[in-house]
Amino acid sequence: DAKTTQPPSMDCAEGRAANLPCNHSTISGNEYVYWYRQIHSQGPQYIIHGLKNNETNEMASLIITEDRKSSTLILPHATLRDTAVYYCIVRANYGGSQGNLIFGKGTKLSVKP
Amino acid sequence: NAGVMQNPRHLVRRRGQEARLRCSPMKGHSHVYWYRQLPEEGLKFMVYLQKENIIDESGMPKERFSAEFPKEGPSILRIQQVVRGDSAAYFCASSEMRGPSRAGELFFGEGSRLTVL
Repeated sequence: DAKTTQPPSMDCAEGRAANLPCNHSTISGNEYVYWYRQIHSQGPQYIIHGLKNNETNEMASLIITEDRKSSTLILPHATLRDTAVYYCIVRANYGGSQGNLIFGKGTKLSVKP
Repeated sequence: NAGVMQNPRHLVRRRGQEARLRCSPMKGHSHVYWYRQLPEEGLKFMVYLQKENIIDESGMPKERFSAEFPKEGPSILRIQQVVRGDSAAYFCASSEMRGPSRAGELFFGEGSRLTVL
């Protein structure tokens, strides 16, 4: 699976959009981009994933560049409860087979009042 | 619909004792994963199991650690003769069999925190 690069930390003001970047310049054509987050001491939580197109769900939006070498996770209106470590993971889903996710160091997002 | 259930949430063991951590996957999920998180570090994959089969144990230490997911009952992560370095949070995740577009969607439990004295 391709390696990802994320800034170690970011701050965001409460109520503003949080834009978390991820670089995955070695991504291959069959690899998906996944985002998870881990709020302090809790289990990781799935947020969103995509392959080529931008995706949106009730939690966030995922913007993938046309060359797929980078992506941005957007939390449109960050709240204090969004303070967490956010992980960008690139993974190939071979024919529906399951497998493990490789977590890097992620970005520690601090939402401030 | 209950989520992934792990127990115990906290476990204290003395060096040399055995630790058993249990994980009940979400209803309908037949895939289980175990991860370890040492203090102030990231999550490290340990093992991936399906019912009665170990699919990938590339992250498991070679000695003292074992995992199973029987036909009936929860998945068990067993650590024999624990040492202080085993102190960590152990997270279990589960998933159902899905097509390629959703194969990486894992649901995590709240973890079991092992402290070795």
